[in-house]
Amino acid sequence: EAQVTQNPRYLITVTGKKLTVTCSQNMNHEYMSWYRQDPGLGLRQIYYSMNVEVTDKGDVPEGYKVSRKEKRNFPLILESPSPNQTSLYFCASRGVAGAYTGELFFGEGSRLTVL
Amino acid sequence: DQQVKQNSPSLSVQEGRISILNCDYTNSMFDYFLWYKKYPAEGPTFLISISSIKDKNEDGRFTVFLNKSAKHLSLHIVPSQPGDSAVYFCAASAKSNFGNEKLTFGTGTRLTIIP
Repeated sequence: EAQVTQNPRYLITVTGKKLTVTCSQNMNHEYMSWYRQDPGLGLRQIYYSMNVEVTDKGDVPEGYKVSRKEKRNFPLILESPSPNQTSLYFCASRGVAGAYTGELFFGEGSRLTVL
Repeated sequence: DQQVKQNSPSLSVQEGRISILNCDYTNSMFDYFLWYKKYPAEGPTFLISISSIKDKNEDGRFTVFLNKSAKHLSLHIVPSQPGDSAVYFCAASAKSNFGNEKLTFGTGTRLTIIP
């Protein structure tokens, strides 16, 4: 089954304690991206990656890091989480071959609370 | 600056009637528009899209209309069914973003179908 898998799905942590949210896709997609969803703001892009070792900032990258060492994985790293990073996070991917449709495939989300 | 706006946070419609969800955008560079559907505790799933070269796209009960001069699009669901109850996100992308082609999302409309 084609899917984007995120872990953990739920996490409560404290300010300053480094954490990583993993994302893995089994569709051989080149493009991967992280979004956060906050009330009244919709989904906003944090970082994206066009392929292995190619990453760049989205609209709200402050406080986050990413890496893309393998095509299937795109972890989101919070080096020193703060309460304003409490949010619902989504990883998404799409292929780049063929006609562009814009369609992204999303994971189920990771709800993070930083105390 | 919210480039994609969904001004109705919620909408209730009787089962069997038409549901109309609206979306406005400000960026004239957007050339692809998508609707996503989101159930609680799940990631957004792609519903239907439209290219800026078209003004209508239909897929079963779902039709998206695009009015470029008004920078407005709408999603029509006919007939509405209880399973359509979800949050609907409008999204737009611009191929001119040199490969990122990120989706810019609206804030969502919660649709409730009343049996």
